[in-house]
Amino acid sequence: LAKTTQPISMDSYEGQEVNITCSHNNIATNDYITWYQQFPSQGPRFIIQGYKTKVTNEVASLFIPADRKSSTLSLPRVSLSDTAVYYCLVGDGNDYKLSFGAGTTVTVRA
Amino acid sequence: GAGVSQSPSNKVTEKGKDVELRCDPISGHTALYWYRQSLGQGLEFLIYFQGNSAPDKSGLPSDRFSAERTGGSVSTLTIQRTQQEDSAVYLCASSPSVLYEQYFGPGTRLTVT
Repeated sequence: LAKTTQPISMDSYEGQEVNITCSHNNIATNDYITWYQQFPSQGPRFIIQGYKTKVTNEVASLFIPADRKSSTLSLPRVSLSDTAVYYCLVGDGNDYKLSFGAGTTVTVRA
Repeated sequence: GAGVSQSPSNKVTEKGKDVELRCDPISGHTALYWYRQSLGQGLEFLIYFQGNSAPDKSGLPSDRFSAERTGGSVSTLTIQRTQQEDSAVYLCASSPSVLYEQYFGPGTRLTVT
């Protein structure tokens, strides 16, 4: 898994958009970018994966620039229940040994 | 359908005792993984099963740790002679095959006193 760097924490308010940027300067050609979400006292949950440009699902959007050296997870109109730790991973899909760092703790306030 | 389940949810044990942690993966998932997450830390890979065999045990921290899987389904992680440094949340995940998207259970919080 390629090394990633993301902010330790971010604060937001209900209804705002939260953007978390992850740096992965050493991303390889075959690597995908994947984000997991972890609520307190729960296991991590897959939320989105992409290779280039933009991916959107019912939970979030993932923006990946052309050089793929970074990516931004966008959470639209967050609510209190979006308070969680968000992890960015980069790998080629065969890296089943998921390795999470400290992630980004997102705190949503009323 | 039902997700990955783990039992017990919490386990407090005395140093030196053996413990067994159970994981019930999603039905039909052939790959099963065990991880450990210490307080405020990231995820640490322990072992991976494909079916009933464990091709990768490289993450097991010592020979006090062992795991088995029977019938391609339920898995048990056993820690013998527990030590205080074994205190952590033990997470189990499963996937349809060896894919990047893994489905995690809620974890077992182990406290060794």
